[in-house]
Amino acid sequence: ETGVTQTPRHLVMGMTNKKSLKCEQHLGHNAMYWYKQSAKKPLELMFVYNFKEQTENNSVPSRFSPECPNSSHLFLHLHTLQPEDSALYLCASSQGWGGLYNEQFFGPGTRLTVL
Amino acid sequence: QQQVKQSPQSLIVQKGGISIINCAYENTAFDYFPWYQQFPGKGPALLIAIRPDVSEKKEGRFTISFNKSAKQFSLHIMDSQPGDSATYFCAASVGTSGSRLTFGEGTQLTVNP
Repeated sequence: ETGVTQTPRHLVMGMTNKKSLKCEQHLGHNAMYWYKQSAKKPLELMFVYNFKEQTENNSVPSRFSPECPNSSHLFLHLHTLQPEDSALYLCASSQGWGGLYNEQFFGPGTRLTVL
Repeated sequence: QQQVKQSPQSLIVQKGGISIINCAYENTAFDYFPWYQQFPGKGPALLIAIRPDVSEKKEGRFTISFNKSAKQFSLHIMDSQPGDSATYFCAASVGTSGSRLTFGEGTQLTVNP
């Protein structure tokens, strides 16, 4: 595996389900990000972890719960979601957070549909 | 509050033509302006980026033009090819880290053969 991988690639869940999205980066990076991508809307930054510590939470509802057990893995735990949460969820990583020219490398995303 | 506005939403260009995508920003503290390219089923990938101390940056067929006084920047794709068909996002960040990016809404480019 190379780059940033995400599983599953597609997920359909009911509003009462609990599921988790997984992201793994194989780049030796220290910062990891979760974004939400909705049609015809800008990418929305949700969470940032740097060296496993959460550095950003952009007022994300508590039904989204991130977890970063180490610098290579990032999870997004989902529970009691709403239909408007249906979107493409993208994971990204970068060498660091706040340094010079930290290019972000994105995974392919998980397409989430909430019924 | 939308801090980076991107236009057009979609663009159709003939092969060999020039594709132009524009972005305007509000926050004068922005000082790093990357463009990302996203193909269907893939995540965005950094294409080219510019800092406000230069007015233009060229990499191959891709050029960023930057107008600091107008708070606008644009992506020009010369000799557009069908393989350039993708969604393009402009972005901006405060500080040159590129860490906390504010994205535009995206432009879906189609290059017809």
